[in-house]
Amino acid sequence: AQKVTQAQTEISVVEKEDVTLDCVYETRDTTYYLFWYKQPPSGELVFLIRRNSFDEQNEISGRYSWNFQKSTSSFNFTITASQVVDSAVYFCALSEADNTGKLIFGQGTTLQVKP
Amino acid sequence: DGGITQSPKYLFRKEGQNVTLSCEQNLNHDAMYWYRQDPGQGLRLIYYSQIVNDFQKGDIAEGYSVSREKKESFPLTVTSAQKNPTAFYLCASSKEGWVKETQYFGPGTRLLVL
Repeated sequence: AQKVTQAQTEISVVEKEDVTLDCVYETRDTTYYLFWYKQPPSGELVFLIRRNSFDEQNEISGRYSWNFQKSTSSFNFTITASQVVDSAVYFCALSEADNTGKLIFGQGTTLQVKP
Repeated sequence: DGGITQSPKYLFRKEGQNVTLSCEQNLNHDAMYWYRQDPGQGLRLIYYSQIVNDFQKGDIAEGYSVSREKKESFPLTVTSAQKNPTAFYLCASSKEGWVKETQYFGPGTRLLVL
């Protein structure tokens, strides 16, 4: 069965610290996509990144970086030099090759960055 | 600006009442989705539509109904059969309903029961 697990419910850091949010997924498909979304207090989900199952290259975008490892079924997200504006709930999601486009979400990790 | 709008921002439902949540997109996307979010939990799929005049049940469709008469609109009705409707409802759309497509979300509607 397909599943996404974000074991960290809440993380609290002080500004400028680095923080890694973990995501572990389960799927039987060989073709799938993984996503990260940010949900600030306003509630709207903001798309951060999409990664397909055939591309294991790590990606960096400014202070954000993602580490995809198929061997451990993980797609972890690191924020470098965290800022107060990074405070939000972060969701990892999985889309399988059933071509419905539906997303399976993890339970989310609440990140609090203190000044 | 292209995007997804949801209204109202807050909605109050009385016992036995049906209420309808609006979702409109001007992104020219074919696929649209409704998710429910409960406190401290991830999003769960209620219904989805990959094309006009067609829609499919998601994982928690009981007590909900939808229609897709226009490409840009996908309203969700929470019926009286939904016994625990208090939640945050998010609408999303994607270019097509395929595995590789990114879903973009609206601002959400918070439904409360009086």
